[in-house]
Amino acid sequence: GAGVSQSPRYKVTKRGQDVALRCDPISGHVSLYWYRQALGQGPEFLTYFNYEAQQDKSGLPNDRFSAERPEGSISTLTIQRTEQRDSAMYRCASSLGLGRADTQYFGPGTRLTVL
Amino acid sequence: KNEVEQSPQNLTAQEGEFITINCSYSVGISALHWLQQHPGGGIVSLFMLSSGKKKHGRLIATINIQEKHSSLHITASHPRDSAVYICAVRRRDRGSTLGRLYFGRGTQLTVWP
Repeated sequence: GAGVSQSPRYKVTKRGQDVALRCDPISGHVSLYWYRQALGQGPEFLTYFNYEAQQDKSGLPNDRFSAERPEGSISTLTIQRTEQRDSAMYRCASSLGLGRADTQYFGPGTRLTVL
Repeated sequence: KNEVEQSPQNLTAQEGEFITINCSYSVGISALHWLQQHPGGGIVSLFMLSSGKKKHGRLIATINIQEKHSSLHITASHPRDSAVYICAVRRRDRGSTLGRLYFGRGTQLTVWP
């Protein structure tokens, strides 16, 4: 596709439910990143992949959060047993994976609201 | 303490004014990014710097590696420049130049006609 796409764009769920957020990166992009952005704050790193390998998951807040990218393209961020504090904008970005010259292209985000 | 600090947090200007947004960071970096977040929420990469200065239209970005400081300038500001401007750095950890970005909190710029 022309850019990074994410779905759903908006998700409202009840506390305790599981949610799965999808990211479709730019075709051919090696690296894929997940970020979370609270209102009025800058994005906060969650995890990233090179191809299908999860390179760094140090930003995942706890073990309710997990991410996968099984075929090195589409990625899913899963939040189990959601809590109200999980409400935020979840953003995905992808890049060619060129090292220092690596520009990240951001998706439109998924706005998650946990009631 | 956040690795990346931006100032000011909010900035209001009259159309035509020269704008400066500052970013300081406390870690060794391989690159610094300036991003623009539109009122609708989308994020666009404006610049990526590892040294010196870059210019694109009315936007100029500079970086001083020794002082760990970068500035984003907007000349002849326009209401359509109103957005949140975010500074982000890629750390140089153990020789790796790939990986996560560390973000500032952003500067909300409002330009009035």
